[in-house]
Amino acid sequence: EAQVTQNPRYLITVTGKKLTVTCSQNMNHEYMSWYRQDPGLGLRQIYYSMNVEVTDKGDVPEGYKVSRKEKRNFPLILESPSPNQTSLYFCASSPPPFSEAFFGQGTRLTVV
Amino acid sequence: TQLLEQSPQFLSIQEGENLTVYCNSSSVFSSLQWYRQEPGEGPVLLVTVVTGGEVKKLKRLTFQFGDARKDSSLHITAAQPGDTGLYLCAGDPNNAGNMLTFGGGTRLMVKP
Repeated sequence: EAQVTQNPRYLITVTGKKLTVTCSQNMNHEYMSWYRQDPGLGLRQIYYSMNVEVTDKGDVPEGYKVSRKEKRNFPLILESPSPNQTSLYFCASSPPPFSEAFFGQGTRLTVV
Repeated sequence: TQLLEQSPQFLSIQEGENLTVYCNSSSVFSSLQWYRQEPGEGPVLLVTVVTGGEVKKLKRLTFQFGDARKDSSLHITAAQPGDTGLYLCAGDPNNAGNMLTFGGGTRLMVKP
């Protein structure tokens, strides 16, 4: 089954404790991206990657890092999480011409 | 970042009623997509419109792209409880996919 898989689905952590949210897709898509979703704000792009070893900032990259060492994986790293990063996070991948996004099921992160 | 505004933000209607959701911007988009998101899930693509004035139908859902490619609407005929969810529009300004901008969403509840 074609899918985007995120882990974990739920995470509660403390301020400053580094964490990684994994994302994997099995559709051989070149393009992958991370979004955060907050009430009333829709989805805001954090980072995107057009291909392996090619990443770029989206609209809200502060406090986040990403890497793209393999085509299928695009982990989101929070080096020092803060409470304002409490949110619902989605990973997405897209086939060319990259205009239709396939989303994972989301990761609900709470930073206390 | 190009802004997409959706209205209304919330809509609660009875089964069988018709409704229209709007997605407006001051910017031109090369394509516009509509997604539906159910609780605990990622958004799922419903339709992509690419031509100004284009109308697409998906069963009881009718999507229209404005002539100037700055706005779009989603009309649902005879709404059913299964239509309940968060409807998101997303615009791609240059058909490259890496700058997909999402609206804030319309939360629809259809009561039986």
